[in-house]
Amino acid sequence: DIVMTQTPLSSPVTLGQPASISCRSSQSLVHSDGNTYLSWLHQRPGQPPRLLLYKISNRFSGVPDRFSGSGAGTDFTLKISRVESEDVGIYYCMQATQFPRTFGQGTKVEIK
Amino acid sequence: QVQLQQWGAGLLKPSETLSLTCAVYGGSFSGNYWTWIRQPPGKGLEWIGEINHSGTTNYNPSLKSRVTISVDTSKNQFSLKMNSVTAADTAVYYCAREAVRAPQEWGQGILVSVSS
Repeated sequence: DIVMTQTPLSSPVTLGQPASISCRSSQSLVHSDGNTYLSWLHQRPGQPPRLLLYKISNRFSGVPDRFSGSGAGTDFTLKISRVESEDVGIYYCMQATQFPRTFGQGTKVEIK
Repeated sequence: QVQLQQWGAGLLKPSETLSLTCAVYGGSFSGNYWTWIRQPPGKGLEWIGEINHSGTTNYNPSLKSRVTISVDTSKNQFSLKMNSVTAADTAVYYCAREAVRAPQEWGQGILVSVSS
């Protein structure tokens, strides 16, 4: 299985300031079709996760443009340009290049 | 817009069979993969498996021997069965639609507790 490792596991942030989460995979996530199937999800307490970004940097419908993704191969980053109160919760990276799909451990974002 | 609504038994005894169903409303049932993902209380996400409209399945090898995912295209529903459950299977179980290899829409989740 591909192991997904996120850092940090906890990130206290100041409202209006940027935040960044890293995700590293144990193998390259480049698929034989040329795509890299790395997604980012956000989960608020008591709610199902919701998709933010897919294929590294594509924002899902309705996701604000303060969320951006970058990276390639085995190293990826989620950035929030200016954190808002609704951004608190746990962020997960997920790979869908290989079976089984696997997730990072999660990064908890909270307001300082 | 695709919406998923799931249901099933929330309390099981060890060795019983977990059975959940997810109904899909809106959008196209074909052309997508329909996925089950679980989350133990206070922990991270684990992918269980997926199925498409024609019944093609992919399972997590760690669960494959106990899991069956099936589809009923006449009702736009898909189901999860997991036999021989133990306390380690206690989790919130989510159904989701996978498109472009990403879980785009999610069900509300069901907490399944396994306890004697």
